[in-house]
Amino acid sequence: AQTVTQSQPEMSVQEAETVTLSCTYDTSESDYYLFWYKQPPSRQMILVIRQEAYKQQNATENRFSVNFQKAAKSFSLKISDSQLGDAAMYFCAFLADGLTFGKGTHLIIQP
Amino acid sequence: EADIYQTPRYLVIGTGKKITLECSQTMGHDKMYWYQQDPGMELHLIHYSYGVNSTEKGDLSSESTVSRIRTEHFPLTLESARPSHTSQYLCASGEETQYFGPGTRLLVL
Repeated sequence: AQTVTQSQPEMSVQEAETVTLSCTYDTSESDYYLFWYKQPPSRQMILVIRQEAYKQQNATENRFSVNFQKAAKSFSLKISDSQLGDAAMYFCAFLADGLTFGKGTHLIIQP
Repeated sequence: EADIYQTPRYLVIGTGKKITLECSQTMGHDKMYWYQQDPGMELHLIHYSYGVNSTEKGDLSSESTVSRIRTEHFPLTLESARPSHTSQYLCASGEETQYFGPGTRLLVL
């Protein structure tokens, strides 16, 4: 069974600064997908970024990028130029039959 | 990106009632999922379907049942609601990438 660990229950960052959210996972699979989702207070889950395990290049989406270390089973999310709208719960997830989620990191943006 | 809909958005109901949470998507995805999100925000897979007439139980045991008679529709049913069923239920669809509906917040009194 896969497990996903987010060791930071809460993170705080100043607006316009950069923050990195940590995620580690455990799997015996060699080919898989990893995701970061955000869930703002309105509670709709929104895809932030995805990474295919077979791709060595780290995925990027505008201000969001990942540091994917397959051997270390690490998948961190970097948010650059943080904005107030980035405030949300962020979930790291691994795709097996369905998604296995970490417990989430509550990101606070300080104005 | 998928258009995925859930109704109702909020439901308050008494113990023992039968309820059905609706989920539909317009993108023709074969794969659909139900997740339960507890007050601590953890999400757990409770049901999934890889196509019409295919349903499987997820990682978290649930007293709910699902059906998949049409590709676009994946309803979840609780035959007899109990306070322990109070939670948020999220529906998702997609092949590798899953897209989520807005969720149904269920309160069982």
